[in-house]
Amino acid sequence: AQSVTQPDIHITVSEGASLELRCNYSYGATPYLFWYVQSPGQGLQLLLKYFSGDTLVQGIKGFEAEFKRSQSSFNLRKPSVHWSDAAEYFCAVGLKAAGNKLTFGGGTRVLVKP
Amino acid sequence: NAGVTQTPKFQVLKTGQSMTLQCAQDMNHEYMSWYRQDPGMGLRLIHYSVGAGITDQGEVPNGYNVSRSTTEDFPLRLLSAAPSQTSVYFCASSKGFYSNQPQHFGDGTRLSIL
Repeated sequence: AQSVTQPDIHITVSEGASLELRCNYSYGATPYLFWYVQSPGQGLQLLLKYFSGDTLVQGIKGFEAEFKRSQSSFNLRKPSVHWSDAAEYFCAVGLKAAGNKLTFGGGTRVLVKP
Repeated sequence: NAGVTQTPKFQVLKTGQSMTLQCAQDMNHEYMSWYRQDPGMGLRLIHYSVGAGITDQGEVPNGYNVSRSTTEDFPLRLLSAAPSQTSVYFCASSKGFYSNQPQHFGDGTRLSIL
């Protein structure tokens, strides 16, 4: 069965420090990959997406993610975290054949210390 | 441009009651979907629609009905509410069916079943 795993439920990071959120997937084919962010009380906002091509993807708000086929991973990174980055982050995976029916990971909640 | 609008934002029901969660979008998107969000489980797809008059089941459809009579609206009906349906519900829309079309999410409806 298809699955998406975000191993870290919570991460605490100091403001200005770097951040890396992990995402691993189990799919039969190379999927489409997404990272979404959810601020408290809000819906989800797309940070970035990977469909094909360059495996390093740039997104909004200074985030980037790297697709590693050999590791079935799509980790999200930010070099220097701002207090406004405190939120919950979701990795999601889709297959072209499955249309827009995404499978989401369980989410990682990021806390930012001043 | 309102995007995806969900009403109500909060609702408390008693077991056995029925209700309809409303979702409307003003972007002329063909694809609309409903997800539920539960702690540690990310978002799970309930139902989706690829256009007016066409709906299909997602991962967790039991206990929910949908219809799509117009492009703009995609209501979700709980026929007989159960405590297991306590959750945060998100509606999303995208221009097309394929997952390379980014999804736009509403702000959610927080539903408690007593």
